[in-house]
Amino acid sequence: SQQGEEDPQALSIQEGENATMNCSYKTSINNLQWYRQNSGRGLVHLILIRSNEREKHSGRLRVTLDTSKKSSSLLITASRAADTASYFCATDGGGNDMRFGAGTRLTVKP
Amino acid sequence: EPEVTQTPSHQVTQMGQEVILRCVPISNHLYFYWYRQILGQKVEFLVSFYNNEISEKSEIFDDQFSVERPDGSNFTLKIRSTKLEDSAMYFCASSHPRQGLYEKLFFGSGTQLSVL
Repeated sequence: SQQGEEDPQALSIQEGENATMNCSYKTSINNLQWYRQNSGRGLVHLILIRSNEREKHSGRLRVTLDTSKKSSSLLITASRAADTASYFCATDGGGNDMRFGAGTRLTVKP
Repeated sequence: EPEVTQTPSHQVTQMGQEVILRCVPISNHLYFYWYRQILGQKVEFLVSFYNNEISEKSEIFDDQFSVERPDGSNFTLKIRSTKLEDSAMYFCASSHPRQGLYEKLFFGSGTQLSVL
């Protein structure tokens, strides 16, 4: 299967703590993307990392990619209650389509 | 900020009926997509569309499904004869030609389809 698989399935932390979510995939990719979904809403693109990149930052987000292990991680630093959402990785399967994993449900307690 | 607009937000239909879900992508985007999400499950790829034709479709997108860009602004998903298992949230998305296909998608808020 081409889609990424996130772990953990659910993560609960206190405001101010860091949150780390992982994604593993099976096929070669051109890029990997992370999206966020608030309950019942559409997905919002967070960050894209290409297969020749190892790390990327955007504000409080840090994404790493290890193509040898076929894995990626998303780190949210200094989390806020407003970061409560589901986070999905999406892989392009070499450019044929884009498929999402099952997501990590993050809860940040105030 | 420009956004993808989907209508209606909620559609209820009887099994066997045809439904058309409508989307207005962001105006300067050229790549269009439909995804769906059954409650509590993962977001599933249905189809991508570029240059007035389907680029890719998944195994879910069978003969009961079709997409169309009838004019310069709308992008529709038609389900010819709905089944109970078609009940899901359907998301339309679009992306800019500056990005590659399947890169940095902008999603609408979805249409919740309920088949009774």
